[in-house]
Amino acid sequence: DIQMTQSPASLSASLEEIVTITCKASQGIDDYLSWYQQKPGKSPQLLIYDATSLADGVPSRFSGSRSGTQYSLKISRPQVDDSGIYYCLQSYSTPNTFGAGTKLELK
Amino acid sequence: EVQLQQSGPEVGRPGSSVKISCKASGYTFTDYVMNWVKQSPGQGLEWIGWIDPEYGSTDYAEKFKKKATLTADTSSNTAYIQLSSLTSEDTATYFCARALMDAWGQGASVTVSS
Repeated sequence: DIQMTQSPASLSASLEEIVTITCKASQGIDDYLSWYQQKPGKSPQLLIYDATSLADGVPSRFSGSRSGTQYSLKISRPQVDDSGIYYCLQSYSTPNTFGAGTKLELK
Repeated sequence: EVQLQQSGPEVGRPGSSVKISCKASGYTFTDYVMNWVKQSPGQGLEWIGWIDPEYGSTDYAEKFKKKATLTADTSSNTAYIQLSSLTSEDTATYFCARALMDAWGQGASVTVSS
């Protein structure tokens, strides 16, 4: 199984910062990597797919990138509404595997 | 608009089974596989498996092969997950999610309690 090591587990950021969350895959996943945001009591929402493509309706302050087998989600000038838990997911091979999640708090 | 409407909360006794539904609308049901994802209380997301509604083919994560059964009814555009031999470890919210998980159901909670 492909392991997705996500970091950090939690972070607190100000509205002026650039927030970066990373996921490192245990092997190559050919950019079959997506990012999700989940708010309490809600289902996850797709932000980024294919590592760098912005999902419909997602603000442009969200972006995705890759360096080797490490994938990153960047939030530029986050808004208070961006608080929540963020997950990465690899869908290169089954079983599909999620990162452990990053809890983002905006201050 | 793509919508996945899941059935309501379930309570099951240890050793029993429950079946959750996920009714799809707003797209051609047979064009996309349907994934199922488990989220235990306060925990992360765990992929259970997927079903191809057109052919009925399935793929499961190893740990769910004896726990979950995925089916689909193309006449009603509804996917199902049945969880058997329930234990406290099965208490969780279960989500259906289309194909590349661009659309999700609202989740269905399962509580295992005697």
